[in-house]
Amino acid sequence: LAKTTQPISMDSYEGQEVNITCSHNNIATNDYITWYQQFPSQGPRFIIQGYKTKVTNEVASLFIPADRKSSTLSLPRVSLSDTAVYYCLVGDEGSQGNLIFGKGTKLSVKP
Amino acid sequence: EPEVTQTPSHQVTQMGQEVILRCVPISNHLYFYWYRQILGQKVEFLVSFYNNEISEKSEIFDDQFSVERPDGSNFTLKIRSTKLEDSAMYFCASSRRLAEYQETQYFGPGTRLLVL
Repeated sequence: LAKTTQPISMDSYEGQEVNITCSHNNIATNDYITWYQQFPSQGPRFIIQGYKTKVTNEVASLFIPADRKSSTLSLPRVSLSDTAVYYCLVGDEGSQGNLIFGKGTKLSVKP
Repeated sequence: EPEVTQTPSHQVTQMGQEVILRCVPISNHLYFYWYRQILGQKVEFLVSFYNNEISEKSEIFDDQFSVERPDGSNFTLKIRSTKLEDSAMYFCASSRRLAEYQETQYFGPGTRLLVL
C-alpha cells in the first residue's frame, strides 16, 4: 500500500475554495486514490475517487497529475459544515479489504 | 439512501465485562468490517468478514474479539473481557464487494464504548 502524506490541518473561511494536496510518491500502477471525510463523532464518509486526470462530483473535484505522485482534493465554496477531517487513501484491488487511514487533514472553516 | 446502523450509540461497561456491539449493514452488501478509533487518534482496521467467515484481521483483533453474523441482517462485534484500552469509537462498515479501494465502504455512525 502506498504511503500518503497530507497536511495536518488547514484553515479556511466560508465561501472560499479549499485545496488539500496529498503526496503518494510510491503509488503503484493499479492504485486508485480515494478521499474520505469524517465529521466529529461520526464514521468516515466517501467523498470521491479517481485514477488519473480529473474527477468531479456534486461534492468535490479531484485533480491527479500525469505522474500520479500527488492528488488534490478541491472543495468549492466551503461552508461551516465542511469542517471535518479529510483522509487521502491509496491502494489497489489486491488488498484484502481493510482501509488504511492516516491522520488526515483537519479542515477548519471559519465564518 | 440506505445506510449502516449501529446500536447502541453509547455503551459504558466495567473492565472485564463482555460487550456486544451490533450493526445492520446495507442490505445488498456482502462484505462487512469493524474499525475503531481511540479518541484523538486514527481510524484503525480491526476485521473484515465475508461469507460467514473472517477475511482478514489486524493485530488489534486478538482472542478477546470475535465477530458474528447471527442472522441475515445483523453483524456483531463481541469483546469478551473488556480492558480500559478498549475504550474507543467502534465503526461498522459494509461494501458490495472486496475491492476496497475501488469499492466504497459505507460506515455506520459508531458506538462509543467507555470501559471503566
